[in-house]
Amino acid sequence: DAGVTQSPTHLIKTRGQQVTLRCSPKSGHDTVSWYQQALGQGPQFIFQYYEEEERQRGNFPDRFSGHQFPNYSSELNVNALLLGDSALYLCASSPLPGGNEQFFGPGTRLTVL
Amino acid sequence: AQRVTQPEKLLSVFKGAPVELKCNYSYSGSPELFWYVQYSRQRLQLLLRHISRESIKGFTADLNKGETSFHLKKPFAQEEDSAMYYCALSTQTGANNLFFGTGTRLTVIP
Repeated sequence: DAGVTQSPTHLIKTRGQQVTLRCSPKSGHDTVSWYQQALGQGPQFIFQYYEEEERQRGNFPDRFSGHQFPNYSSELNVNALLLGDSALYLCASSPLPGGNEQFFGPGTRLTVL
Repeated sequence: AQRVTQPEKLLSVFKGAPVELKCNYSYSGSPELFWYVQYSRQRLQLLLRHISRESIKGFTADLNKGETSFHLKKPFAQEEDSAMYYCALSTQTGANNLFFGTGTRLTVIP
């Protein structure tokens, strides 16, 4: 089991563009959470998906949206990119929506120019 | 609102010395507290959680509700303990929405 996988590893976009990041959860896990980690900061919770629905959401604007597929993989979409969206985006999975350890992926480094 | 504070960005200790990484939180309810660790070139991973009351790799952490703290301690630091440590809080038992502190980079000097 490769654990949580994320693609791409790195991405460079310009302001105003749109980006899609992808995540495959650890085998046996059906809940996916997304976090944004700016340089020098701890991860910040964006949202969580379970049963293909957004279950919880952090303090992020509607420009951030997501999707979960029947195979439990997930996408994070960010529209109208701003310079401040430059960060490491982490995906984490767990076997249930709550009460369990989260397993993190390696992250996708997004740079907005 | 909830908040996690890790006052030290950097902490250096000698091998064999005790280590304490500080974590304070603010939350009006009953939080669940965690310590996550990231070793060099590895992923963020759970080190311990307060409800399990375990000792992992010699580390312990006690939730002090009076002082709203969850400090991480180890009596004798090892070189392999060098890593980035994050304290995190969940506002509901069983929830996955973790609120992280800014992290402390621990360096154990041989």
